[in-house]
Amino acid sequence: RKEVEQDPGPFNVPEGATVAFNCTYSNSASQSFFWYRQDCRKEPKLLMSVYSSGNEDGRFTAQLNRASQYISLLIRDSKLSDSATYLCVVKFDTGFQKLVFGTGTRLLVSP
Amino acid sequence: EPEVTQTPSHQVTQMGQEVILRCVPISNHLYFYWYRQILGQKVEFLVSFYNNEISEKSEIFDDQFSVERPDGSNFTLKIRSTKLEDSAMYFCASSPGQRSYGYTFGSGTRLTVV
Repeated sequence: RKEVEQDPGPFNVPEGATVAFNCTYSNSASQSFFWYRQDCRKEPKLLMSVYSSGNEDGRFTAQLNRASQYISLLIRDSKLSDSATYLCVVKFDTGFQKLVFGTGTRLLVSP
Repeated sequence: EPEVTQTPSHQVTQMGQEVILRCVPISNHLYFYWYRQILGQKVEFLVSFYNNEISEKSEIFDDQFSVERPDGSNFTLKIRSTKLEDSAMYFCASSPGQRSYGYTFGSGTRLTVV
């Protein structure tokens, strides 16, 4: 089983739509969780950390379910500029703080 | 906003040649990393570096790879004898060290081995 698993997509949505991405991780020793955004041939950029209580940043909401080892990202009112690949990233308790990336979910927002 | 700087942005090299990829991490960060991303694949961990030594490395980081922090600012990745399969984007990253923090990535070096 992959350490961090995501649906690769692509998700094609119209502007203004709400879209949700899911991610599962295999290691219960996982400690910290993040969503990164990656534009084509660019570096990953931190979108938001994910906390157990759930957290929101503007149009973005992240949820964590430790019991199910499941992370989600909800994007409301999608903009054209949200088109990118969204990477689910886990930092495990074992190991020296390395990040483990999922393969990413590609989002395409159309006019 | 502080950033991680990588040079060069693109390097083409012949198979068997040595390459050095350079990075300037954010100045008050303590942990430094190299990751790579083969085209169309996921971002993969190579090595982490703390307190002037390697703290962890992946299976990818074999004897052909080495890292160095030659002075107070630069952090380099050397590949001694490049192979075709080393062609990838190489990202440097740094973090302040607290467990809940994400990392800041540099814009990457695209390495093409021909």
